Amino acid sequence: AQKITQTQPGMFVQEKEAVTLDCTYDTSDQSYGLFWYKQPSSGEMIFLIYQGSYDEQNATEGRYSLNFQKARKSANLVISASQLGDSAMYFCAMREGLGGATNKLIFGTGTLLAVQP
Amino acid sequence: GAVVSQHPSRVICKSGTSVKIECRSLDFQATTMFWYRQFPKQSLMLMATSNEGSKATYEQGVEKDKFLINHASLTLSTLTVTSAHPEDSSFYICSAKNPGSGNQPQHFGDGTRLSIL
Repeated sequence: AQKITQTQPGMFVQEKEAVTLDCTYDTSDQSYGLFWYKQPSSGEMIFLIYQGSYDEQNATEGRYSLNFQKARKSANLVISASQLGDSAMYFCAMREGLGGATNKLIFGTGTLLAVQP
Repeated sequence: GAVVSQHPSRVICKSGTSVKIECRSLDFQATTMFWYRQFPKQSLMLMATSNEGSKATYEQGVEKDKFLINHASLTLSTLTVTSAHPEDSSFYICSAKNPGSGNQPQHFGDGTRLSIL
């Protein structure tokens, strides 16, 4: 069965510094997708970044990058130049299969990030 | 702009009331939608997969008769919490993925905060 583990319940980071949020996963599938979502206190889920299991390069989206280490089954999120607005809950998620609209997402327990001025 | 719309955003009602939550895909047809539940400071837990034109697939431990799902059209899924009680108070959020979007992520509605008094 697939599983997502986020071992950091909470993190502090100084404004303008970089921070890494950890995520490890477990699956027996060869094809899967890994996602990071941001959830501010208002509750909406904001998609940040995606990494496919066959992607050879680490995904990047603006200040977000995903450190994908397939052999170690880790998909850590790196946020560079942290901003106060980055304070939120961050969830790592996995979808078995690639691109399937019927394939469900499984979420980790989340990491609460607090950016300090 | 939003691609998945969820309504209402907040409901407060008396114990014993049934509450209907709507999830609409705005610019694509979603044969599959997903319903999640989130308790405060916890992760999103998948409740069920809503299938257009057929019965929903419920996750283990989720009561089918308690959480009725109807997916009568390609753009609308509804979750009805029947005879709601205070322990049903939670944040409910739906998601869907455009089948033609390849590896693109699921899009989430803004969620519904349900409070049963």
